[in-house]
Amino acid sequence: GQNIDQPTEMTATEGAIVQINCTYQTSGFNGLFWYQQHAGEAPTFLSYNVLDGLEEKGRFSSFLSRSKGYSYLLLKELQMKDSASYLCAVKDSGYALNFGKGTSLLVTP
Amino acid sequence: IAGITQAPTSQILAAGRRMTLRCTQDMRHNAMYWYRQDLGLGLRLIHYSNTAGTTGKGEVPDGYSVSRANTDDFPLTLASAVPSQTSVYFCASSEGPQGADTQYFGPGTRLTVL
Repeated sequence: GQNIDQPTEMTATEGAIVQINCTYQTSGFNGLFWYQQHAGEAPTFLSYNVLDGLEEKGRFSSFLSRSKGYSYLLLKELQMKDSASYLCAVKDSGYALNFGKGTSLLVTP
Repeated sequence: IAGITQAPTSQILAAGRRMTLRCTQDMRHNAMYWYRQDLGLGLRLIHYSNTAGTTGKGEVPDGYSVSRANTDDFPLTLASAVPSQTSVYFCASSEGPQGADTQYFGPGTRLTVL
């Protein structure tokens, strides 16, 4: 089966940097996605990695190591509006998107 | 351009009743998906459609059915609702199931079955 693990909750201070980890074991691999979901809203796409390395997009970066089954999302210069759930999702060999349970990030003043 | 719309926004339903959740996209995406999101369980795939006229079962298909008569619409039907189907339902679409295929989500339907 598919197994995607990420921490349940994290807290960080406004202006700081936070790293949200995701480990996965899936039947095949066709890419890893990060989504952001504010309370009561739909998930919105943040990043996509299919090759090893770091993808940077403004304040957000995502890293992938396929050999280790590991990814992280790095958020820099945290803002209060970054308080949300962050969902790690892996596309498997059947092209289905398998979601982790999400990491709830609280940014404090 | 609206993207993906879902209706209703929320619904309270008596157990045993039939209910159809509607989903429409205007991006001409080939693939569409239905997920349910429950506290502590994350997003789970119910059914999907890679192209109009085809559908497939996801992780939790029991008690649900879908149809894909055209590109834009992908309704989800609960034939006889049960309380365990209380959840938030998200519809999503993507250009196609392969490659860097980003899924875009609708605003969701909050369903309560009593």
